[in-house]
Amino acid sequence: DAEITQSPRHKITETGRQVTLACHQTWNHNNMFWYRQDLGHGLRLIHYSYGVQDTNKGEVSDGYSVSRSNTEDLPLTLESAASSQTSVYFCASSVRAGTGETQYFGPGTRLLVL
Amino acid sequence: KNQVEQSPQSLIILEGKNCTLQCNYTVSPFSNLRWYKQDTGRGPVSLTIMTFSENTKSNGRYTATLDADTKQSSLHITASQLSDSASYICVVSGGGSQGNLIFGKGTKLSVKP
Repeated sequence: DAEITQSPRHKITETGRQVTLACHQTWNHNNMFWYRQDLGHGLRLIHYSYGVQDTNKGEVSDGYSVSRSNTEDLPLTLESAASSQTSVYFCASSVRAGTGETQYFGPGTRLLVL
Repeated sequence: KNQVEQSPQSLIILEGKNCTLQCNYTVSPFSNLRWYKQDTGRGPVSLTIMTFSENTKSNGRYTATLDADTKQSSLHITASQLSDSASYICVVSGGGSQGNLIFGKGTKLSVKP
């Protein structure tokens, strides 16, 4: 079955380290998104991509980067992890770019920065 | 400022009872409104989506309503089940792109036996 997966599911790292969270989808969706979810906040968009070699900044992109070298993957990199980046990270994908399109979410990665 | 406010923040009901969750938004222009269900430890899953011209949409025991004039939506759950325990998130699109979705903070529903 087609799906969207994230790895690792749980990660503990130290302040200042570089961390990469993986997102992989097998639906061949053009659009992929990274969100973070924190208590007291709704899901907030970090970066998104509408296709290979396309990346865009979201609402809370500082300290994060993404690259899209193929359709299936959109890895999220924290260049120098900070405690403020402790959060649950969700990857999502959708078929088309229209605002009525359903986004399908992965299971999430829980990141703790010490 | 574009905002989506959900109430209540949390809710506890007994199995078999009905409940209604509220979503008020100030997003303009308005394109569509979607409700997601998020089980603990999992990603959100879409329940319904409504555009400006739709007043009601059902998905099994879930019925969403939309009043675009007052900018309010509700999600009604009928004959609740233990599996309905989850967070319910209201998401409003102001058009443009999927990079402009406004997410509410969610309502955490607990269904007790």
